[in-house]
Amino acid sequence: EIVLTQSPGTLSLSPGERALLSCRASQSISSRYLAWYQQKPGRAPRLLIYGASNRATGIPDRFSGSGSGTDFTLTISRLEPEDFAVYYCQQYGSSSGYTFGQGTKLEIK
Amino acid sequence: QVQLVQSGAEVKKPGASVTLSCKTSGYTFTTYYLHWLRQAPGQGLEWLGMIDPNGGGTNPAQKFQGRVSVTRDTSTSTVYLKLSSLRSEDTAVYYCAREPPLMVYFDFWGQGTMVTVSS
Repeated sequence: EIVLTQSPGTLSLSPGERALLSCRASQSISSRYLAWYQQKPGRAPRLLIYGASNRATGIPDRFSGSGSGTDFTLTISRLEPEDFAVYYCQQYGSSSGYTFGQGTKLEIK
Repeated sequence: QVQLVQSGAEVKKPGASVTLSCKTSGYTFTTYYLHWLRQAPGQGLEWLGMIDPNGGGTNPAQKFQGRVSVTRDTSTSTVYLKLSSLRSEDTAVYYCAREPPLMVYFDFWGQGTMVTVSS
């Protein structure tokens, strides 16, 4: 089973700063199978990025995804107040199905 | 607009079963796979299984095989999750989510249903 490890667990930044969130897979995965979600308290997750680098419909261009193999990154170029939330990466594997990282909490410094 | 509307909160005793529903609208029901996921309090996301509404084929997560059943009603564009032999660890918010054709991510989610398992 492929395990996704996200780091850091918590990231404390101020509005206007840049955020770099990491997602590392225990073995190489296809970029096509890597997605990122944002979740706010009491709400369902929202798709941000699919195929490692493609923004979902309606997602602002301050969100970008990159990476390949085992290392993937979600970048938020200039943090807005509404960006403070928990972020999850997700992958698909034929044997393991759909699995998620444990999440990174992005909090206001 | 695409909507996935889930049924209301449930409280169950250990050993019981629960059936949740997810009514979809705003798109062609048979075109998109539908999945069930859950999130225990303060925890991350866990995938339970999926259904192809076109033919009704299902694929439960290995961890839940034998305990999870996913079905659909094409006449009402609704999918169902039945989870059996409930235990306290099944206390969570349960989500349905849609997967676009030939993709492996979830583009629309239901609002979530809280299931509490307690004696």
